Amino acid sequence: DQQVKQNSPSLSVQEGRISILNCDYTNSMFDYFLWYKKYPAEGPTFLISISSIKDKNEDGRFTVFLNKSAKHLSLHIVPSQPGDSAVYFCAASVYGNEKLTFGTGTRLTIIP
Amino acid sequence: NAGVMQNPRHLVRRRGQEARLRCSPMKGHSHVYWYRQLPEEGLKFMVYLQKENIIDESGMPKERFSAEFPKEGPSILRIQQVVRGDSAAYFCASSSGLAGHNEQFFGPGTRLTVL
Repeated sequence: DQQVKQNSPSLSVQEGRISILNCDYTNSMFDYFLWYKKYPAEGPTFLISISSIKDKNEDGRFTVFLNKSAKHLSLHIVPSQPGDSAVYFCAASVYGNEKLTFGTGTRLTIIP
Repeated sequence: NAGVMQNPRHLVRRRGQEARLRCSPMKGHSHVYWYRQLPEEGLKFMVYLQKENIIDESGMPKERFSAEFPKEGPSILRIQQVVRGDSAAYFCASSSGLAGHNEQFFGPGTRLTVL
């Protein structure tokens, strides 16, 4: 049972444009969401997170939006840069339960 | 480098052998997590440990897999009698364990190949 879903395995975006990565979840107990970025042969790197008491969190070029009623979150990267090319994982957790549940990832390619 | 360290980075074992994967958490972190990533899949939680205690092992296979985080030294993920299906990337993460949600910081992973 895939509780966190990233339905787009890949996404290509022109450099300078906005990249939008999407994530859906089914477990209504999730109350904390994170985005990780992963390069080949490396571990995931934390990007940004959001608590369920918020609907938006921004950090530089990265903004995460949370729509609890739709059980949907998205990561916006603007402007997109070549170094943003990587696999992006959405993850979720429940307060008091430390384990992260990951989506299957979206491979983002930024086209120069 | 004060990041999460894992070794070895690559490990090759024949079927039936044992694999030992080591993880040193970030300085100041006392919580360790192990995740496994199969090809073309996301990371799957295996086990969560604090010093000398297993807190949550709900993602660990019931047989052949074990984990420890001793008072001194790194956390160890041990796989006995490896099979081809154990071939995967194994990632360790650590967190500070302070109250509330904690960001987990990941190591570079150990890529296990079972021949």
